Parts: sequence; structure tokens; C-alpha cells
Amino acid sequence: DGGITQSPKYLFRKEGQNVTLSCEQNLNHDAMYWYRQDPGQGLRLIYYSQIVNDFQKGDIAEGYSVSREKKESFPLTVTSAQKNPTAFYLCASSPTTGGLYYNEQFFGPGTRLTVL
Amino acid sequence: GIQVEQSPPDLILQEGANSTLRCNFSDSVNNLQWFHQNPWGQLINLFYIPSGTKQNGRLSATTVATERYSLLYISSSQTTDSGVYFCAVPPYGGSQGNLIFGKGTKLSVKP
Repeated sequence: DGGITQSPKYLFRKEGQNVTLSCEQNLNHDAMYWYRQDPGQGLRLIYYSQIVNDFQKGDIAEGYSVSREKKESFPLTVTSAQKNPTAFYLCASSPTTGGLYYNEQFFGPGTRLTVL
Repeated sequence: GIQVEQSPPDLILQEGANSTLRCNFSDSVNNLQWFHQNPWGQLINLFYIPSGTKQNGRLSATTVATERYSLLYISSSQTTDSGVYFCAVPPYGGSQGNLIFGKGTKLSVKP
């Protein structure tokens, strides 16, 4: 089945630790995104990548890092510099974007991160 | 940047009732998406609708881009319709590709 997978589903982290969230897609989409959702809120953009080996900061990138070495994969690292990392993290992908064109985005099932 | 406002924030319905959810946006957009977030957090694509009207079963959506709003209609609601409904638009004409989300409408359908 084509789709977006995220792992793990639940993640617990001690303060001061870095953790990496996985996002993989087999939809052959060029663009991938990471969003954060806090309780009762909409989603906010952390990072996005329109092509392999290139990515841009979103609205709330501080304390996060990403890489895009393969088209299918866009892992997100939550570093110890992120002051309030407990949240629900959603990964998305879409067909090629750029210029004035916008394509429909599709989301993975999410990872719930809790800092102990 | 563009602002997205959804109303009402909360909605409680009896099973079988109809409802209308509204999404207002502050600037011109070249597209709009509606999502349903189920109780497990999964975002399910409902509509991808820059303008006009689309229907999918008991759900339909209308976007009037010139007046900067979109409506989501749910007819004959079922308990499985419960969850949070989000609308989202691309900023700056869509060149970045990401979405700006509203805060959502939380729908509870009672049996």
C-alpha cells in the first residue's frame, strides 16, 4: 500500500536527550513536511523539504533539525535545545511544489512525544 | 501572514442532524484543504478545493475564494463523524508548499 509511515507511535524522552522521529513515504512525492500540534491547537510548520538534500525552516524550527538524504525519508531530530518538546508530531508529503503551484498534502499517523 | 479562522470552535450534535462548519481566511489563496482528525490523531483528507463545490457522500464543501471563505457541510451525522475538522491554506500564493491551519472545529455526535 502506498502511504506515509511514522515511527515510533509513542516516544518518551528524558530532559537533555536528543531523539529522532522517523518519516518514510512510498508515494514518490518530492516534498515533505514536519508539523507540530499542541493540545487544542492547529498544526504549525517546523521544517519542509522540496527536494533531496535541501530543506527550509518553518515557523518554529528552533530546537529541531532535519535531513533529506533520500526522497523517501525525512527524519526529524528533537534536540535538547527545544524547550517544550512534548507534543504530537505529524509528517506530510505532497507531489512536487514550487512556483505558484500547490499540491494536496497527505499526512502520516503521527508520533506522540513526551518529555519526562 | 495569512490568518485562518474556523467557527464554531465546538459543536455538539445529535446523530442524524446536519451541520455547517466555516473557514475564513484573510488573504487570497490558490487552494484550500479540509481535514478530519480522528480520535487517534490521524489527519484524513476530506477535500482539496480551491473554488466551487465538491461532494463526497454525506459531506460536501464549498469555497468562495473571492469572498475568502469555505464551508463544510455534514449531513445525517453519525457518531463516527466525531473529531476535529481543520481547514488549511497555503501561504504566499503557495510557493512554499506548506499549509497554514486554523484551530479547528471540535465536533461531537451523540447517539
